[in-house]
Amino acid sequence: EAGVAQSPRYKIIEKRQSVAFWCNPISGHATLYWYQQILGQGPKLLIQFQNNGVVDDSQLPKDRFSAERLKGVDSTLKIQPAKLEDSAVYLCASSLWPWKKQPSGGDTQYFGPGTRLTVL
Amino acid sequence: AQKVTQAQTEISVVEKEDVTLDCVYETRDTTYYLFWYKQPPSGELVFLIRRNSFDEQNEISGRYSWNFQKSTSSFNFTITASQVVDSAVYFCALRHTGNQFYFGTGTSLTVIP
Repeated sequence: EAGVAQSPRYKIIEKRQSVAFWCNPISGHATLYWYQQILGQGPKLLIQFQNNGVVDDSQLPKDRFSAERLKGVDSTLKIQPAKLEDSAVYLCASSLWPWKKQPSGGDTQYFGPGTRLTVL
Repeated sequence: AQKVTQAQTEISVVEKEDVTLDCVYETRDTTYYLFWYKQPPSGELVFLIRRNSFDEQNEISGRYSWNFQKSTSSFNFTITASQVVDSAVYFCALRHTGNQFYFGTGTSLTVIP
């Protein structure tokens, strides 16, 4: 079974530029997550999708970050314009079911390799 | 507030030694779920274990074992006979009955050959 795919793996941009990241979850996984992981810290949830609807985006800086999952499968995360403090690894994860319907392990998240963003 | 504390920032052990990684959590919920993930230098978080709050039975998987104690709100992870391949950052995470996962700040483990 293929894992979570992300691209690109690395991206270097200058501040005020725009950048987009792509994620393809594990086949059949209804829930998709985007995390930001700053060096030396744990992942911080940015946004969670259930199918193509947003479940939680309370920690997404909406003035510059946006995300979509139009067909309930692939997702893109965009930053426009980027700031120096956006330098981080952006992780995508997916889980099998909406957790309310499948409590026995369906909430386990499987992560992609991440995209390392450097903003100069 | 939900919170996960991993007080050990960095640990170094010599190969074949045992090592325990600590995780202390805070939650007001009676139903919650705890996880451990491994993040090797390649960067991908690898799922290790999931435990729900009603199951306090300790678990052993090969050289890995987990000790869940609700009385002390701890979910510690022990690696027996450590190997160089165990070198990674290990994260403990909590999910309560809301939506979010809360990750600790991680413990960086270095196994010296």
